[in-house]
Amino acid sequence: DTAVSQTPKYLVTQMGNDKSIKCEQNLGHDTMYWYKQDSKKFLKIMFSYNNKELIINETVPNRFSPKSPDKAHLNLHINSLELGDSAVYFCASSQGTKETQYFGPGTRLLVL
Amino acid sequence: DQQVKQNSPSLSVQEGRISILNCDYTNSMFDYFLWYKKYPAEGPTFLISISSIKDKNEDGRFTVFLNKSAKHLSLHIVPSQPGDSAVYFCAASAPTGNQFYFGTGTSLTVIP
Repeated sequence: DTAVSQTPKYLVTQMGNDKSIKCEQNLGHDTMYWYKQDSKKFLKIMFSYNNKELIINETVPNRFSPKSPDKAHLNLHINSLELGDSAVYFCASSQGTKETQYFGPGTRLLVL
Repeated sequence: DQQVKQNSPSLSVQEGRISILNCDYTNSMFDYFLWYKKYPAEGPTFLISISSIKDKNEDGRFTVFLNKSAKHLSLHIVPSQPGDSAVYFCAASAPTGNQFYFGTGTSLTVIP
């Protein structure tokens, strides 16, 4: 059983479209994250939710909106996609904000 | 502003020899450090951690060393095996913060 899963694994779309990436964890963790890994391989945090509440919201365009319907899910919706949004997006979870994070396999987004 | 740096993007080592991966940080408040390993098309997986109250932590073939005065940590893998070929990320967090800061990774190739 996959601990942290993301769908889709690959996403190719046109500029201007709206898309969502889903993340689910079955570890019983209370904290979930979204990271972006850009072309320079820099893994940067975007958002963090603890018990469905937003606790980290880094400098990310407001075209990106996370939604946590429950503790096991953290989805990422992106409006008006731009070329610069092309990256690998990783979801992660942990039990508490200072504990080891478990990552999903990543979603490779390509905006054309 | 990158607070965690891995200045060597790649490293090649012969099977059976020691691999040494380095990581530097700028924030003296960081007190907890992690190493993650990442295979292609997969998410990072936790490898080993160290708290700032220690200067060494060992787990099988993997040892992490922390030099607080130099703001430097290193991961030693001995003996290196071909299956260790992956990208290794170091990450750090501060007691007052609620996130980890990641380096850009070092790609290790172990040559059979």
